[in-house]
Amino acid sequence: EIVMTQSPATLSVSPGERATLSCRASQIVTSNLAWYQQKPGQAPRLLIFGASTRATGIPARFSGSGSGTEFTLTISSLQSEDFAVYYCQQYNHWPPLLTFGGGTKVEIK
Amino acid sequence: VQLVESGGGLVQPGGSLRLSCAASGFTFTNYAMSWVRQAPGKGLEWVSLISGSGNSTFYADSVKGRFTISRDNSKNTLYVQMNSLRAEDTAVYYCAKDFAYGDYLDSWGQGTLVTVSS
Repeated sequence: EIVMTQSPATLSVSPGERATLSCRASQIVTSNLAWYQQKPGQAPRLLIFGASTRATGIPARFSGSGSGTEFTLTISSLQSEDFAVYYCQQYNHWPPLLTFGGGTKVEIK
Repeated sequence: VQLVESGGGLVQPGGSLRLSCAASGFTFTNYAMSWVRQAPGKGLEWVSLISGSGNSTFYADSVKGRFTISRDNSKNTLYVQMNSLRAEDTAVYYCAKDFAYGDYLDSWGQGTLVTVSS
């Protein structure tokens, strides 16, 4: 099983500031990495796939980078609606065994 | 795309429950589907995946032998039969559409809560 580790667990950021979230895979996953956003009481929403491609309707302030085992999600200027929990997920394993990181909560500083 | 789960509720340890997910807005048979769960206050855990035809299924070790995923493409509905339920199976269960077989999950339902307790 590929273990995904996210850091930090909690990130306190002021509105308008940049947020940088990290995700590390225990094995190489090439660029088969997705990011999701989840707000309280809601289902997760796909933000990024292929490590760096924004999903439909996702604002340009969200960007993803990395490949192999180290990945980053950057939110360039935090808006009030961006305070949420963010999860990374790898999909490089065959047979399919999707694994998620433990999540990073982005909270208002 | 719309995914609507149903069937959650309270069940005793050792009991069974079947969840359903009604899909619309896309050609259901063309896409693999997954179940993902989230225990209260915890992170996301992938549970199971089924191919578009229904011929191939995959499970997390934590549910293998107890859960069975299936689909009825004539009804555009995904299912998971959960047997021998344990307290640690308590979670919100989401169905999700795979972008491609074993790939990322591009659409999610709103979830249904399963509580295993005596």
